[in-house]
Amino acid sequence: GAVVSQHPSRVICKSGTSVKIECRSLDFQATTMFWYRQFPKQSLMLMATSNEGSKATYEQGVEKDKFLINHASLTLSTLTVTSAHPEDSSFYICSARDPWTDTDTQYFGPGTRLTVL
Amino acid sequence: GENVEQHPSTLSVQEGDSAVIKCTYSDSASNYFPWYKQELGKRPQLIIDIRSNVGEKKDQRIAVTLNKTAKHFSLHITETQPEDSAVYFCAASKNDMRFGAGTRLTVKP
Repeated sequence: GAVVSQHPSRVICKSGTSVKIECRSLDFQATTMFWYRQFPKQSLMLMATSNEGSKATYEQGVEKDKFLINHASLTLSTLTVTSAHPEDSSFYICSARDPWTDTDTQYFGPGTRLTVL
Repeated sequence: GENVEQHPSTLSVQEGDSAVIKCTYSDSASNYFPWYKQELGKRPQLIIDIRSNVGEKKDQRIAVTLNKTAKHFSLHITETQPEDSAVYFCAASKNDMRFGAGTRLTVKP
């Protein structure tokens, strides 16, 4: 089945620093990847849709200059949290679709727990 | 945009009983409705899905029903087991996916 990996699994950083999270599709090529944020005991909130070779589409209320997304290849999307603050502490999860087998199903990465001190 | 509502927020059942979780959606253009199970600190795992051209789908102890007219869909788990305890999310999707708020299911042995 389709496998999506994420790195790192957890990161602790100081306020004001930037953190990059990688999302990879391991056995398929993903033209579209999605980035979600999940606060404790809450649902997954879509932050942005990452399109290979073009600009990401951000959801209302998500600052594109703060959450930089790059989808430079068909197997890799990165999310960079710039100038992180404690309120950015959350569980960040990416997902990807395999357009060659199923245009609907999203496969999720294992998530990255970000803690900003 | 799409809005998905999910009920109940918590559900506690005795082992062997059935559990039902219900969701409604607002965008009639949504055509794909997956259900995910998420354990603490883990990624959501797809357990079953249904597309808008189907009214019901079953996979062993799990079934999902869809009423397009009323814009609601439900998850049914029969013969629940303690390992079914987790948070369950419904979602509705056309191009991107919107999640319900989640249901914390506890199955008591």
